Amino acid sequence: DAGVIQSPRHEVTEMGQEVTLRCKPISGHDYLFWYRQTMMRGLELLIYFNNNVPIDDSGMPEDRFSAKMPNASFSTLKIQPSEPRDSAVYFCASSRPGTGGEKLFFGSGTQLSVL
Amino acid sequence: KQEVTQIPAALSVPEGENLVLNCSFTDSAIYNLQWFRQDPGKGLTSLLLIQSSQREQTSGRLNASLDKSSGRSTLYIAASQPGDSATYLCAVGDNAGNMLTFGGGTRLMVKP
Repeated sequence: DAGVIQSPRHEVTEMGQEVTLRCKPISGHDYLFWYRQTMMRGLELLIYFNNNVPIDDSGMPEDRFSAKMPNASFSTLKIQPSEPRDSAVYFCASSRPGTGGEKLFFGSGTQLSVL
Repeated sequence: KQEVTQIPAALSVPEGENLVLNCSFTDSAIYNLQWFRQDPGKGLTSLLLIQSSQREQTSGRLNASLDKSSGRSTLYIAASQPGDSATYLCAVGDNAGNMLTFGGGTRLMVKP
C-alpha cells in the first residue's frame, strides 16, 4: 500500500484566499484524522471521521475551517478565507477498524504558508 | 483536559549509548499510549502502541513502558545509532483511543 497520501506537499497563498488540502487514507482504514502542527502549539487534532462521518470537530479553530469526507478514499480540509496564523503543517492520518486505539498512520503533510 | 509533557526537549548522545525518553500525562484515565518518530519534513511513524491494560511493549531495540497510576511512560532505546536521530513524540489516547493528545516531543541527536 502507498500509505496515506496528501496533496499538495507545499501551498503558498495570500491572505483571504481559499485553500483546499486533500487526503487519501490507506485502503481499508475507516478512521481518518486531520492534525495541525506548529512550533508554538505542537500537534493538535482538528477533526476525525469514522466511516466517512465526522465524529468530533471540537478542534476545528474557527468557522473558516471545514472538512469533508465524501467517500472512504478521499477527504478535504478547506480554509476560507485563509489568514497568516493558519500557516502550519497539516497532517492527515488514518487507522484501521478495531476494538479501539489502533496505530495511526500519517501522511507526509502539507506545509501551508499564508502570506 | 489531558496534558502531555516530554522531558527533555532535546538530547544529544554519542553512538552506542542506551537512553531513556520520558513522557508524563496528567489524567491517568487513558485508553492507550503511542510513541511516534518524526523525521524532519516528514510525517509521524508509529513505533509502539501500549494499551491501558499493558505495562510495556517491545520492538527491536525499542522498549516502551507504561505506569498509568503515576502518569508516566518511558521509551528506552538500546545501543543508539545515528539513524535514530529524530524527534520522538508520545501521544495519549482517550475516548476509545481516537482522541490523541501529543506531547511536545524530544529531539534526539545521536552523534557518530
